[in-house]
Amino acid sequence: NAGVTQTPKFQVLKTGQSMTLQCAQDMNHNSMYWYRQDPGMGLRLIYYSASEGTTDKGEVPNGYNVSRLNKREFSLRLESAAPSQTSVYFCASSGDRKGVYEQYFGPGTRLTVT
Amino acid sequence: GNSVTQMEGPVTLSEEAFLTINCTYTATGYPSLFWYVQYPGEGLQLLLKATKADDKGSNKGFEATYRKETTSFHLEKGSVQVSDSAVYFCALTSNYGQNFVFGPGTRLSVLP
Repeated sequence: NAGVTQTPKFQVLKTGQSMTLQCAQDMNHNSMYWYRQDPGMGLRLIYYSASEGTTDKGEVPNGYNVSRLNKREFSLRLESAAPSQTSVYFCASSGDRKGVYEQYFGPGTRLTVT
Repeated sequence: GNSVTQMEGPVTLSEEAFLTINCTYTATGYPSLFWYVQYPGEGLQLLLKATKADDKGSNKGFEATYRKETTSFHLEKGSVQVSDSAVYFCALTSNYGQNFVFGPGTRLSVLP
């Protein structure tokens, strides 16, 4: 039971390049999330998916797209990277554990855009 | 909307000192409350939780009590260790777990 996994762990991009961050969970959770974490800013929600086939914008969706490929996988795409997207990206999933919804996080992807 | 407020950091303590990190919330209904911990270079991990008024969550020597009358969920530990140095996030969820709201985090540094 690996929980939430993310790839890659580190990435350096040049301005204008594109990339996809991958996330998978093996806990059979319906809901999945993408956050970014900037120094001193806490967590900010980019997009979330309440169930397979649905996605919704969070607090800071501009410059990103997402795909809920199936129940396990939720990817985040940067079409044209900008230095302002330098951040640590966390994927999370949530599910019912004995009547309480808990959120579980992946280890993060550290992205630098030069 | 729902919100979480945490005490400003950073907090610096000596080993074996008593820790309190304040957390207050605004929410409709009866949210579940959580504390998450983030160690350097890692993702967030669930530390403890409480789901109804007067519940006490506890784990690894940390405790927090769900106080509905004061809308608070303060984190406490009687004797901190250097290994407790991390960022601590207070959070809540309602609406069947689809919406999680996190506080800004409080950085704790424990000195030997």
